[in-house]
Amino acid sequence: AQSVSQHNHHVILSEAASLELGCNYSYGGTVNLFWYVQYPGQHLQLLLKYFSGDPLVKGIKGFEAEFIKSKFSFNLRKPSVQWSDTAEYFCAVKGSGAGSYQLTFGKGTKLSVIP
Amino acid sequence: EAGVAQSPRYKIIEKRQSVAFWCNPISGHATLYWYQQILGQGPKLLIQFQNNGVVDDSQLPKDRFSAERLKGVDSTLKIQPAKLEDSAVYLCASSVGGGLQPQHFGDGTRLSIL
Repeated sequence: AQSVSQHNHHVILSEAASLELGCNYSYGGTVNLFWYVQYPGQHLQLLLKYFSGDPLVKGIKGFEAEFIKSKFSFNLRKPSVQWSDTAEYFCAVKGSGAGSYQLTFGKGTKLSVIP
Repeated sequence: EAGVAQSPRYKIIEKRQSVAFWCNPISGHATLYWYQQILGQGPKLLIQFQNNGVVDDSQLPKDRFSAERLKGVDSTLKIQPAKLEDSAVYLCASSVGGGLQPQHFGDGTRLSIL
C-alpha cells in the first residue's frame, strides 16, 4: 500500500522568507508525485507533478519540488514566499504498474504568511 | 472552461438521516472521483468512475454509502443512514481519463452530522 507523510502541520513564515515543506512517501514501485494547493475558500488545484526525468520540477507561482528517490522524499520549496501563498498544501502519490492505483494524499500542511 | 460543479455547498443533518450530493464534472471528462476529506486529513478516495462504470470502490463503506453515474456525466453520492463520523467535506473531481491525467476538483460539500 502507498502512503504519504507530511511532517509539518502548520508553518508560519514572514513574507520573503524561504519555504520548504517536507513530504515522504512509502511505496515499493514506481511512483508519481504531486503537490496540490488549496487557497482559502477555493478548490484544490495542482501545483506541480513529477512522473519521470529531471528530479527537480517547477510548478506554478515560483514553486519547485525535488524528488530524492533514496530518501523517498518530494519536498516543496519556494525561495521567497508572499502573503498570497497562504494556503494548505497537500502532497500526494500515485503508484504505477498493473492494476488500479489511487491518488493518496498526505494530511496537509497549513502555511500562514505574515505580511 | 467551467469547473467541476457540486451541490449543495453545505448540509446539516441529524444522525441516521439520509443525504445526497450531486456532481457535474467538466464537459468531456470521462473519469469522475468522489473523495471524503475529514477535518485535519487529506482527501481519501471513495469511488472512481470511468464513464458510467466503477473502476475502484474499495474504500467506499458500502453498507451506507452508494454512488451512481447513470449516463456517464453527472453523479450522485448518497449516505443512508448517516453516522457522526461521516461529518466531512465531500469532494468531486474529474479528469479526461484515468491514470496520470490531472484531476480537477470541485469546491466540495461540507456535511455536518448532529
